Amino acid sequence: LAKTTQPISMDSYEGQEVNITCSHNNIATNDYITWYQQFPSQGPRFIIQGYKTKVTNEVASLFIPADRKSSTLSLPRVSLSDTAVYYCLVEPPNSGYSTLTFGKGTMLLVSP
Amino acid sequence: DTGVSQNPRHKITKRGQNVTFRCDPISEHNRLYWYRQTLGQGPEFLTYFQNEAQLEKSRLLSDRFSAERPKGSFSTLEIQRTEQGDSAMYLCASSLGGANNEQFFGPGTRLTVL
Repeated sequence: LAKTTQPISMDSYEGQEVNITCSHNNIATNDYITWYQQFPSQGPRFIIQGYKTKVTNEVASLFIPADRKSSTLSLPRVSLSDTAVYYCLVEPPNSGYSTLTFGKGTMLLVSP
Repeated sequence: DTGVSQNPRHKITKRGQNVTFRCDPISEHNRLYWYRQTLGQGPEFLTYFQNEAQLEKSRLLSDRFSAERPKGSFSTLEIQRTEQGDSAMYLCASSLGGANNEQFFGPGTRLTVL
């Protein structure tokens, strides 16, 4: 069962790039790495998912080194509206979801 | 709006009462999940449906909790004999499944047990 570790909180300013790193030392061969974002009083929202190397979409980039024991979510030029909790998950595809855990996430605070 | 909807959004009840929440997933999604989230914690998995079949149940789901998805569309989560420790946000999510199993979450139902 792959457990994830990420910082409890991070601070940034508008316009900066933010990198949030997640450790998952026990990741299994078939596991994917997924990041979700959650605003207060809302359900989490999918940001990005990857298996290896680099994935980029219109919102973020995900960097995964060759050993896959960690991953870094990169948010370019953050704005105040990016203030949220970010969760790193390690997901086995098409398996029992009792193993799915969000952890406590990283609270990102973006200031003017 | 074709996203996941949940009703009610808020529920206040007295200890010992039964409550029922409803979740309407995205129509073409065959997978449906229930989570519970308390303040300062991430969502905790409760149970999972593939169409109408309940395939996974967390150990967190005590015998006071029951979930159904009778026709493979909407789902209900019932809590019997509520306790103050049941106070939480109850989140529903749905997905298509497959390797990229992106889950789409509803806004949640906030339960307060007095």
